[in-house]
Amino acid sequence: AAGVIQSPRHLIKEKRETATLKCYPIPRHDTVYWYQQGPGQDPQFLISFYEKMQSDKGSIPDRFSAQQFSDYHSELNMSSLELGDSALYFCASSLGETGELFFGEGSRLTVL
Amino acid sequence: GENVEQHPSTLSVQEGDSAVIKCTYSDSASNYFPWYKQELGKRPQLIIDIRSNVGEKKDQRIAVTLNKTAKHFSLHITETQPEDSAVYFCAAMAGGTSYGKLTFGQGTILTVHP
Repeated sequence: AAGVIQSPRHLIKEKRETATLKCYPIPRHDTVYWYQQGPGQDPQFLISFYEKMQSDKGSIPDRFSAQQFSDYHSELNMSSLELGDSALYFCASSLGETGELFFGEGSRLTVL
Repeated sequence: GENVEQHPSTLSVQEGDSAVIKCTYSDSASNYFPWYKQELGKRPQLIIDIRSNVGEKKDQRIAVTLNKTAKHFSLHITETQPEDSAVYFCAAMAGGTSYGKLTFGQGTILTVHP
């Protein structure tokens, strides 16, 4: 069965650079969530989209932005990267806002 | 917003013993409570979930109980095996204006000794 696809899986950037993470939800899933997980931490909700509209916003820095496109894939754009942005970034998708969340394999961002 | 507290932070058991992890939540409007197992560097994987109209749910060696009045839910793993060793997260799906957003507990590192 198709799963949530995230790319790239690993990314290394310098401070103050920009990074873009991509997420392709499970086909027919209309809701996408982004989570950030630091080392030894629980996943922290960043932002979600339902039917291409932002549905909720969590602890997402102003330096970050995201959108969901017409094909339902989503991109998380991170600018002016800081050392503290180093983390695993998970995308998850669901059918509707109350459906089970399916997580992607994650994108590991390292900021040097 | 929703706040989820999870205990214990670490749990060590012998193979074959049972393990219990407990969580409390703050938002009485929350109505969906999943449990995830996460191995190092891997994605969270759903192992069991429960909705607020059910008090208990079981799937082979794993069970979850929910007490809506007390706002707490628990994960029970019986006959633990070394491959059960991982980090377990509880979560609550918020209601109201944050519908659909999952708030996670702090995680429990479960170690099952052979």
